[in-house]
Amino acid sequence: SYELTQPPSVSVSPGQTARITCSGDALPKKYGYWYQQKSGQAPVLVIYEDSKRPSGIPERFSGSSSGTMATLTISGAQVEDEADYYCYSTDSIGNHGVFGGGTKLTVL
Amino acid sequence: QVQLVESGGGVVQPGRSLRLSCAASGFTFSTYGMHWVRQAPGKGLEWVAVISYDGSNKYYADSVKGRFTISRDDSKNTLYLQMNSLRAEDTAVYYCAKDSNYDMMMDVWGQGTTVTVSS
Repeated sequence: SYELTQPPSVSVSPGQTARITCSGDALPKKYGYWYQQKSGQAPVLVIYEDSKRPSGIPERFSGSSSGTMATLTISGAQVEDEADYYCYSTDSIGNHGVFGGGTKLTVL
Repeated sequence: QVQLVESGGGVVQPGRSLRLSCAASGFTFSTYGMHWVRQAPGKGLEWVAVISYDGSNKYYADSVKGRFTISRDDSKNTLYLQMNSLRAEDTAVYYCAKDSNYDMMMDVWGQGTTVTVSS
Protein backbone atom coordinates (compact mmCIF):
# COMPACT_ATOMS: atom_id res chain seq x y z
CA SER A 1 0.00 0.00 0.00
CA TYR A 2 1.01 3.58 -0.60
CA GLU A 3 2.99 5.39 2.11
CA LEU A 4 3.97 8.94 2.98
CA THR A 5 7.13 9.38 5.06
CA GLN A 6 7.73 12.18 7.56
CA PRO A 7 10.45 12.74 10.17
CA PRO A 8 9.18 11.85 13.66
CA SER A 9 10.26 15.13 15.20
CA VAL A 10 11.51 18.62 14.45
CA SER A 11 12.68 21.11 17.03
CA VAL A 12 13.30 24.87 16.66
CA SER A 13 13.65 27.92 18.87
CA PRO A 14 10.93 30.58 18.83
CA GLY A 15 11.31 32.84 15.81
CA GLN A 16 13.25 30.31 13.79
CA THR A 17 12.03 28.62 10.63
CA ALA A 18 10.69 25.09 10.94
CA ARG A 19 10.58 22.81 7.92
CA ILE A 20 8.74 19.50 7.88
CA THR A 21 9.10 17.19 4.91
CA CYS A 22 6.87 14.49 3.46
CA SER A 23 7.98 12.06 0.78
CA GLY A 24 5.81 9.89 -1.39
CA ASP A 25 6.08 8.33 -4.84
CA ALA A 26 2.76 9.76 -6.04
CA LEU A 27 3.42 13.34 -4.93
CA PRO A 28 4.63 14.45 -8.38
CA LYS A 29 1.09 13.77 -9.62
CA LYS A 30 -0.99 14.27 -6.47
CA TYR A 31 -1.46 17.32 -4.26
CA GLY A 32 -0.14 17.35 -0.71
CA TYR A 33 -2.11 18.63 2.25
CA TRP A 34 -1.02 19.47 5.80
CA TYR A 35 -2.99 19.12 9.02
CA GLN A 36 -2.06 20.51 12.43
CA GLN A 37 -3.19 18.60 15.51
CA LYS A 38 -2.69 20.07 18.96
CA SER A 39 -2.88 17.83 22.00
CA GLY A 40 -6.39 16.52 22.63
CA GLN A 41 -7.88 18.34 19.65
CA ALA A 42 -9.13 17.43 16.21
CA PRO A 43 -6.87 18.09 13.22
CA VAL A 44 -7.04 21.43 11.41
CA LEU A 45 -6.15 21.98 7.75
CA VAL A 46 -3.26 24.45 7.42
CA ILE A 47 -2.15 23.93 3.80
CA TYR A 48 -4.04 22.54 0.81
CA GLU A 49 -3.09 21.82 -2.81
CA ASP A 50 0.61 21.88 -1.91
CA SER A 51 0.86 25.58 -1.14
CA LYS A 52 -2.50 27.25 -0.51
CA ARG A 53 -3.46 28.54 2.90
CA PRO A 54 -7.06 28.35 4.18
CA SER A 55 -8.60 31.49 5.56
CA GLY A 56 -7.67 32.07 9.17
CA ILE A 57 -4.31 30.32 8.95
CA PRO A 58 -1.39 32.68 9.75
CA GLU A 59 0.86 33.77 6.88
CA ARG A 60 3.87 32.17 8.57
CA PHE A 61 2.55 28.82 7.36
CA SER A 62 3.52 27.98 3.79
CA GLY A 63 3.86 24.87 1.66
CA SER A 64 5.75 23.72 -1.39
CA SER A 65 6.25 20.58 -3.40
CA SER A 66 8.98 19.36 -5.71
CA GLY A 67 9.20 15.90 -7.18
CA THR A 68 8.42 13.29 -4.54
CA MET A 69 8.77 15.73 -1.61
CA ALA A 70 6.26 18.12 -0.07
CA THR A 71 7.40 20.60 2.56
CA LEU A 72 5.57 22.56 5.24
CA THR A 73 7.43 25.68 6.33
CA ILE A 74 6.64 27.72 9.41
CA SER A 75 8.54 31.00 9.21
CA GLY A 76 9.13 32.53 12.61
CA ALA A 77 7.65 29.63 14.56
CA GLN A 78 5.71 30.53 17.69
CA VAL A 79 5.30 28.53 20.88
CA GLU A 80 1.63 28.09 19.99
CA ASP A 81 2.68 26.25 16.82
CA GLU A 82 3.81 23.28 18.90
CA ALA A 83 1.73 20.40 17.59
CA ASP A 84 1.77 17.24 15.55
CA TYR A 85 1.74 17.87 11.81
CA TYR A 86 0.48 15.32 9.29
CA CYS A 87 0.86 15.35 5.55
CA TYR A 88 -1.98 13.82 3.58
CA SER A 89 -2.51 12.83 0.00
CA THR A 90 -4.14 10.12 -2.08
CA ASP A 91 -2.85 7.07 -3.85
CA SER A 92 -2.17 7.26 -7.57
CA ILE A 93 -5.76 6.29 -8.42
CA GLY A 94 -7.15 8.93 -6.10
CA ASN A 95 -9.75 6.98 -4.16
CA HIS A 96 -7.79 6.09 -1.01
CA GLY A 97 -6.52 8.65 1.44
CA VAL A 98 -3.10 8.32 3.05
CA PHE A 99 -1.54 10.14 6.01
CA GLY A 100 2.11 10.42 6.80
CA GLY A 101 3.22 9.14 10.19
CA GLY A 102 3.20 12.63 11.67
CA THR A 103 5.90 15.00 12.87
CA LYS A 104 6.01 16.40 16.39
CA LEU A 105 7.09 20.03 16.25
CA THR A 106 8.69 21.40 19.40
CA VAL A 107 9.22 25.14 19.73
CA LEU A 108 11.36 26.03 22.73
CA GLN B 1 -21.37 27.26 11.18
CA VAL B 2 -20.35 23.87 9.89
CA GLN B 3 -20.47 21.30 12.68
CA LEU B 4 -19.88 17.55 12.90
CA VAL B 5 -20.72 15.62 16.06
CA GLU B 6 -19.74 11.97 16.42
CA SER B 7 -21.42 9.51 18.77
CA GLY B 8 -21.75 5.81 19.41
CA GLY B 9 -18.31 5.05 20.78
CA GLY B 10 -17.76 2.85 23.80
CA VAL B 11 -16.18 -0.32 25.11
CA VAL B 12 -16.86 -3.49 23.11
CA GLN B 13 -15.53 -7.02 23.23
CA PRO B 14 -13.40 -8.42 20.42
CA GLY B 15 -15.50 -9.92 17.66
CA ARG B 16 -18.54 -7.79 18.44
CA SER B 17 -20.07 -4.93 16.45
CA LEU B 18 -20.58 -1.21 16.96
CA ARG B 19 -22.14 1.55 14.88
CA LEU B 20 -20.82 5.10 14.95
CA SER B 21 -22.85 8.13 13.90
CA CYS B 22 -21.85 11.61 12.79
CA ALA B 23 -24.51 14.33 12.84
CA ALA B 24 -23.83 17.15 10.40
CA SER B 25 -25.14 20.71 10.41
CA GLY B 26 -24.39 24.08 8.86
CA PHE B 27 -23.99 22.87 5.30
CA THR B 28 -25.93 20.98 2.62
CA PHE B 29 -24.97 17.49 3.72
CA SER B 30 -26.35 15.73 0.65
CA THR B 31 -23.93 17.51 -1.68
CA TYR B 32 -20.66 16.51 0.04
CA GLY B 33 -18.66 13.36 0.39
CA MET B 34 -17.71 12.31 3.92
CA HIS B 35 -14.79 10.47 5.54
CA TRP B 36 -13.96 8.49 8.65
CA VAL B 37 -10.45 8.81 10.07
CA ARG B 38 -9.15 7.14 13.22
CA GLN B 39 -6.28 7.61 15.65
CA ALA B 40 -5.09 4.84 17.94
CA PRO B 41 -3.84 5.90 21.39
CA GLY B 42 -0.52 7.70 21.03
CA LYS B 43 -0.40 7.01 17.29
CA GLY B 44 -0.91 8.93 14.07
CA LEU B 45 -3.95 9.53 11.92
CA GLU B 46 -5.24 6.69 9.74
CA TRP B 47 -7.71 7.25 6.92
CA VAL B 48 -10.51 4.66 7.20
CA ALA B 49 -13.19 5.21 4.58
CA VAL B 50 -14.93 7.67 2.28
CA ILE B 51 -18.42 7.85 0.80
CA SER B 52 -19.39 10.02 -2.15
CA TYR B 53 -22.05 12.71 -1.90
CA ASP B 54 -24.70 10.43 -3.35
CA GLY B 55 -23.57 7.24 -1.63
CA SER B 56 -22.77 5.53 -4.91
CA ASN B 57 -19.03 5.20 -4.26
CA LYS B 58 -17.41 3.88 -1.10
CA TYR B 59 -13.74 3.15 -0.52
CA TYR B 60 -12.00 1.62 2.46
CA ALA B 61 -8.54 1.23 3.93
CA ASP B 62 -7.19 -2.31 3.58
CA SER B 63 -7.15 -2.64 7.38
CA VAL B 64 -10.95 -2.41 7.62
CA LYS B 65 -12.17 -3.61 4.23
CA GLY B 66 -14.74 -6.36 4.57
CA ARG B 67 -15.40 -5.55 8.25
CA PHE B 68 -16.49 -1.89 8.23
CA THR B 69 -19.27 -0.28 6.19
CA ILE B 70 -19.70 3.44 5.62
CA SER B 71 -23.17 4.76 4.85
CA ARG B 72 -25.24 7.91 4.99
CA ASP B 73 -28.83 9.05 5.56
CA ASP B 74 -29.32 12.41 3.91
CA SER B 75 -32.81 12.75 5.39
CA LYS B 76 -31.16 12.81 8.82
CA ASN B 77 -27.93 14.60 7.80
CA THR B 78 -26.07 11.72 9.36
CA LEU B 79 -23.03 9.64 8.43
CA TYR B 80 -22.52 6.14 9.81
CA LEU B 81 -19.74 3.62 10.27
CA GLN B 82 -20.84 0.05 10.94
CA MET B 83 -17.94 -1.83 12.49
CA ASN B 84 -18.10 -5.61 12.63
CA SER B 85 -15.66 -8.28 13.84
CA LEU B 86 -13.87 -5.72 15.95
CA ARG B 87 -10.28 -6.30 16.97
CA ALA B 88 -8.06 -4.83 19.66
CA GLU B 89 -6.21 -2.90 16.98
CA ASP B 90 -9.43 -1.05 16.09
CA THR B 91 -9.19 0.77 19.43
CA ALA B 92 -8.99 4.46 18.51
CA VAL B 93 -10.63 7.85 18.43
CA TYR B 94 -12.82 7.92 15.35
CA TYR B 95 -13.30 11.24 13.57
CA CYS B 96 -15.75 12.07 10.82
CA ALA B 97 -14.70 14.71 8.35
CA LYS B 98 -16.38 16.61 5.54
CA ASP B 99 -14.91 16.26 2.08
CA SER B 100 -14.27 19.43 0.12
CA ASN B 101 -15.56 17.71 -3.04
CA TYR B 102 -12.10 18.06 -4.52
CA ASP B 103 -9.20 15.63 -4.38
CA MET B 104 -10.38 13.78 -1.26
CA MET B 105 -9.47 16.79 0.89
CA MET B 106 -11.04 16.93 4.36
CA ASP B 107 -11.82 20.51 5.33
CA VAL B 108 -13.89 20.19 8.51
CA TRP B 109 -13.54 17.62 11.29
CA GLY B 110 -15.63 16.55 14.24
CA GLN B 111 -14.22 16.17 17.74
CA GLY B 112 -14.17 12.38 17.63
CA THR B 113 -15.67 9.46 19.53
CA THR B 114 -13.62 6.83 21.34
CA VAL B 115 -13.89 3.12 20.62
CA THR B 116 -12.17 0.63 22.92
CA VAL B 117 -12.07 -3.03 21.94
CA SER B 118 -11.24 -5.10 24.98
CA SER B 119 -12.39 -8.21 26.77
